[in-house]
Amino acid sequence: DGGITQSPKYLFRKEGQNVTLSCEQNLNHDAMYWYRQDPGQGLRLIYYSQIVNDFQKGDIAEGYSVSREKKESFPLTVTSAQKNPTAFYLCASSLSIAAPNEQFFGPGTRLTVL
Amino acid sequence: QKEVEQDPGPLSVPEGAIVSLNCTYSNSAFQYFMWYRQYSRKGPELLMYTYSSGNKEDGRFTAQVDKSSKYISLFIRDSQPSDSATYLCAMSVNNNDMRFGAGTRLTVKP
Repeated sequence: DGGITQSPKYLFRKEGQNVTLSCEQNLNHDAMYWYRQDPGQGLRLIYYSQIVNDFQKGDIAEGYSVSREKKESFPLTVTSAQKNPTAFYLCASSLSIAAPNEQFFGPGTRLTVL
Repeated sequence: QKEVEQDPGPLSVPEGAIVSLNCTYSNSAFQYFMWYRQYSRKGPELLMYTYSSGNKEDGRFTAQVDKSSKYISLFIRDSQPSDSATYLCAMSVNNNDMRFGAGTRLTVKP
């Protein structure tokens, strides 16, 4: 089955810790994205990647970092510099960033800071 | 003013009703318009995708875009309890600058 997987489903972090959220896709998509979803707010773009070894900051990149070493994988690290990291994190992918293709979303990771 | 405004609801309708969900936006450069359905604690799934103005129909779902009024709508005919979810509108100039509404929570009661 083709799709996007995210792990873990739930993640708890102590203040001051870095945590990494996994995102894998087997859709052969070039572009991948990370969004954050908070109650009462629309999804906000954290980072996106057009191609392997390339990524760009989105609207709220501060306190986050990413890597894109493989086409299939786009992990997100939430660093201790992110002041309010508790949220629902969604990874998405699309065929190309230049074409108006729809984005397909993973099931999400809910991060809670203790 | 937010770039995309969407009434969060909640909206509750009886089974079989016609549902109308709406978003307004301020950026006239938006040209791609999407509607996503999101079940609780799940990722959004694409329902409808429209380029520029006009209508698009897919089964019980109809998406309308009125660029002159900066207003988009999603209509659900013969609504079912399984349609109960949060509906997100989204729009973009290109695919890397998607702007989402906050979502409208819909409940369809049997």
